[in-house]
Amino acid sequence: NAGVTQTPKFRVLKTGQSMTLLCAQDMNHEYMYWYRQDPGMGLRLIHYSVGEGTTAKGEVPDGYNVSRLKKQNFLLGLESAAPSQTSVYFCASSLGWGIQYFGAGTRLSVL
Amino acid sequence: GESVGLHLPTLSVQEGDNSIINCAYSNSASDYFIWYKQESGKGPQFIIDIRSNMDKRQGQRVTVLLNKTVKHLSLQIAATQPGDSAVYFCAENKGGSNYKLTFGKGTLLTVNP
Repeated sequence: NAGVTQTPKFRVLKTGQSMTLLCAQDMNHEYMYWYRQDPGMGLRLIHYSVGEGTTAKGEVPDGYNVSRLKKQNFLLGLESAAPSQTSVYFCASSLGWGIQYFGAGTRLSVL
Repeated sequence: GESVGLHLPTLSVQEGDNSIINCAYSNSASDYFIWYKQESGKGPQFIIDIRSNMDKRQGQRVTVLLNKTVKHLSLQIAATQPGDSAVYFCAENKGGSNYKLTFGKGTLLTVNP
């Protein structure tokens, strides 16, 4: 049972480039989340989904888009990367409200 | 706005000692709390949770205490081991239809051998 898997683990982008981060969970969870983690800031919610085909904005959604076409996958897109988006990105999933299970993270640098 | 915070950003203990990590929350409507452990280079890992109708819950070597009167949460780790070295976060959830967690900034626990 892999739990929550994030790909890629590392990525370096140039300003203005786009990319997609993939999150996959094999726990049949309804809810999925994308967070970013910056030093001294804690985890901040970017977008979340409460079911297949649904998405909603979190605390810091600007510059990001998401899609949940399949229940097990939650994609995070950066439309035009900026240095301010240099961060560690975590995906999480949960059965309902309550315990969220996290992936290992994607470390993104935007130059 | 509402927030979850920690009293101490760092905590250093000797191996074998007990550790206590504290967390203050300000949202009186929060009814569910979670502690996470995050080791360097890894994602947060669930440790233990507690609902607001309880004031204490025990796990394996860990105990969470909830004091709703002063909006305070603590995580106690018994017989701390080097493998316990990590950042510990508390998180709160309003429950009901609110699926979102609000995280504290974390406390770095260092266990000295």
